[in-house]
Amino acid sequence: GENVEQHPSTLSVQEGDSAVIKCTYSDSASNYFPWYKQELGKRPQLIIDIRSNVGEKKDQRIAVTLNKTAKHFSLHITETQPEDSAVYFCAASIRETGNQFYFGTGTSLTVIP
Amino acid sequence: NAGVMQNPRHLVRRRGQEARLRCSPMKGHSHVYWYRQLPEEGLKFMVYLQKENIIDESGMPKERFSAEFPKEGPSILRIQQVVRGDSAAYFCASSPRDRGIYEQYFGPGTRLTVT
Repeated sequence: GENVEQHPSTLSVQEGDSAVIKCTYSDSASNYFPWYKQELGKRPQLIIDIRSNVGEKKDQRIAVTLNKTAKHFSLHITETQPEDSAVYFCAASIRETGNQFYFGTGTSLTVIP
Repeated sequence: NAGVMQNPRHLVRRRGQEARLRCSPMKGHSHVYWYRQLPEEGLKFMVYLQKENIIDESGMPKERFSAEFPKEGPSILRIQQVVRGDSAAYFCASSPRDRGIYEQYFGPGTRLTVT
């Protein structure tokens, strides 16, 4: 089955700096890669996603890149703000065979004011 | 459009009791996924259901766990004879999966504590 690895497990950045979180996946058939943000005690919330026919996607301060050959994808947050502090999860799925999400182990991001 | 609803939000059970967790998907969503989140860990896929059908239960423990999504009413995750290791947050997510939409929207979770 699919195995998703995520690094780093914790990340501290100064407010205004950029944060990068990296994930790798094992199943070359995976073709959908969402990123979720989870605040303490809250539900995971979708922040951005990318499909395998696209190499990069951007939404304001958040961007995701995908390298299908290397089977890795990354989340980039620019101009970080204290409210970006949360746990971020990457996931991979195969859309056509059920779209079950296989999650990474999470990155706890702390933005220091 | 109300989001995904789960109840109860918190559930305390003694070892050996049964736990029933309910999930009402977003309106118009006919696909439900259940995930388990152990303390300080990521989310693990458990089961994928459509109305009246279990599509994939490969992530479910072989014993004590079952799930259903009846024609009418919420999806239910049932854990029989709970043990301490079942203590976790259980999230359901729903998806329309039509017209090429594959996003999953999560409910607030049920936090199960087994004493």
